[in-house]
Amino acid sequence: GIQVEQSPPDLILQEGANSTLRCNFSDSVNNLQWFHQNPWGQLINLFYIPSGTKQNGRLSATTVATERYSLLYISSSQTTDSGVYFCAVDPGYSTLTFGKGTMLLVSP
Amino acid sequence: DAGVTQSPTHLIKTRGQQVTLRCSPKSGHDTVSWYQQALGQGPQFIFQYYEEEERQRGNFPDRFSGHQFPNYSSELNVNALLLGDSALYLCASIGTGDYEQYFGPGTRLTVT
Repeated sequence: GIQVEQSPPDLILQEGANSTLRCNFSDSVNNLQWFHQNPWGQLINLFYIPSGTKQNGRLSATTVATERYSLLYISSSQTTDSGVYFCAVDPGYSTLTFGKGTMLLVSP
Repeated sequence: DAGVTQSPTHLIKTRGQQVTLRCSPKSGHDTVSWYQQALGQGPQFIFQYYEEEERQRGNFPDRFSGHQFPNYSSELNVNALLLGDSALYLCASIGTGDYEQYFGPGTRLTVT
């Protein structure tokens, strides 16, 4: 099956810093989503981005489908950005394969 | 617009027992998928239901079964619980022709 690798596995930032999270995937996909999992386990949709670039406030994402990677940018990080960020891909069956996530801790 | 809902929030069961988890999809969605998330891992796909039938299945044993009702809500059943079944169980829904999936808040199952 398709493989999804996320890096880095852990990231510690000071409030106000910028960061880039990376997601590599092993095959072509119909769908790529970025999620933020809060401490209670809820997966919050950040981006649906099978290709191209999108921005939502301090967050933006870019997927280069031909090179099989996606990047999530977080600018001016806040303590509320802390949590686990997941990349998930769908090779075409309306099911998602997740990476292992990046654990982000933003300290004040 | 109601999002995906799941019940119960938490559940504690004993090894060997059976459990049923419930999910109602987001309004307008007709396809429901279930995922298991062990501690420190990403969610893993269990199975997907569409038109009251199992359409896709991940690498999970037959102890995991499900059902979808005419109103698109779904149940996940796990028989003969093992300690390793302790996890967060997530339900996701999607509409026909859509690509973006939405997740419920999850049910945290502890098997003792």
